[in-house]
Amino acid sequence: DIQMTQSPSSLSASVGDRVTITCRASQTISSHLNWYQQKPGKVPKLLIYAASSLQSGVPSRFSGSGSGTDFTLTISSLQPEDFATYYCQQSYSAPRSTFGQGTKLEIK
Amino acid sequence: EVQLLESGGGLVQPGGSLRLSCAASGFTFSSYAMSWVRQAPGKGLEWVSAISGSGDSTYYADSVKGRFTISRDNSKNTLYLQMNSLRAEDTAVYYCTKDTIVVVPAARNWGQGTLVTVSS
Repeated sequence: DIQMTQSPSSLSASVGDRVTITCRASQTISSHLNWYQQKPGKVPKLLIYAASSLQSGVPSRFSGSGSGTDFTLTISSLQPEDFATYYCQQSYSAPRSTFGQGTKLEIK
Repeated sequence: EVQLLESGGGLVQPGGSLRLSCAASGFTFSSYAMSWVRQAPGKGLEWVSAISGSGDSTYYADSVKGRFTISRDNSKNTLYLQMNSLRAEDTAVYYCTKDTIVVVPAARNWGQGTLVTVSS
């Protein structure tokens, strides 16, 4: 099974900060990497697919990069509504996908 | 507009059974693979099971293999998850997802989830 490891597990930042979250796969997954945002009590929302493609309707301050085993999600300038938990997901072995453990982004 | 509405969650004793349903609308149901993803209280997301559009192919996480059965009724636009031999660690919100392939597969649509609590 492909394991996904995110870092950090939690992160404190301020409005306006640039934030980067990383995700590492236990084996190469090409660009089969998706990012989701989940706010407390809400349903996960797809942000980025295929490592770097922005889902329709997602603000351009979100971006993704990487291929192979190492990936990053970057928020260029944090907004109040961005404080949430972010998950990466590999779909290389879809339909048997795997999620990372999540990164909780909190207000400093 | 895509809508996914789960139902069937509730409180069940360890060893018991429960069947979840996910009513789909707003798209051609039989054309899409569907999945169940769960989230234990305060924990992360875990993929549970998936089924092809036709229903001919099914897939399970090791943690539920042999206990859970995914199925679908394309005439009713409904996805199911039959859960048997339930354990405390199966306690979670269960989401159904519509899996779409745009370059790569991703869960672009999620239901609101249904809570399953396994406890005596």
